Amino acid sequence: DAGVTQSPTHLIKTRGQQVTLRCSPKSGHDTVSWYQQALGQGPQFIFQYYEEEERQRGNFPDRFSGHQFPNYSSELNVNALLLGDSALYLCASSLNRGENSGNTIYFGEGSWLTVV
Amino acid sequence: AQSVTQLDSQVPVFEEAPVELRCNYSSSVSVYLFWYVQYPNQGLQLLLKYLSGSTLVKGINGFEAEFNKSQTSFHLRKPSVHISDTAEYFCAVSDWRNRDDKIIFGKGTRLHILP
Repeated sequence: DAGVTQSPTHLIKTRGQQVTLRCSPKSGHDTVSWYQQALGQGPQFIFQYYEEEERQRGNFPDRFSGHQFPNYSSELNVNALLLGDSALYLCASSLNRGENSGNTIYFGEGSWLTVV
Repeated sequence: AQSVTQLDSQVPVFEEAPVELRCNYSSSVSVYLFWYVQYPNQGLQLLLKYLSGSTLVKGINGFEAEFNKSQTSFHLRKPSVHISDTAEYFCAVSDWRNRDDKIIFGKGTRLHILP
């Protein structure tokens, strides 16, 4: 049983460009969350998708957007990249069913984004 | 809003010695508590979690943590560390009143195991 898978693992982009990161949740999971982890910091919540809709959003600008597909996989898009967007982007999946019951959240290995 | 404070950014400890990584959170109301570990160049792995019940929680790799409501703390302990425990450790909270399971992380504590 595959866990959470993310692609690509590493990428380099130029300021002003756009990037799309992809995530496949653990089998049986219906909820996908995205986190940004800057160097030396803890992960910060970007947003969460459930039933193909953005259910909760952290303190990130509209340049950050996402999507969830019917198979529960998800994409994170970042437009107009800034140097400060360089970070590890983590995808997390869980079985939520519309409530927080403390089910374990599983993280992928992340996508390392470097903006130059 | 919930917040998490990890009091030490780095903790050096000799191999086979005990260790405690400290964590405080902003409110004792309606929280689930977690400790995650991140090995170099890897994602996050759940060590243990507190949802309810016994305040002493045992996790993987010999780690345990104690929920202290009065002190709003959730310190992580291990009686004897190994070189393989070298990693970044994150304390985190989630509010069970929310429909979502958004997690708020601390800034992390880097555990250095000295030979």
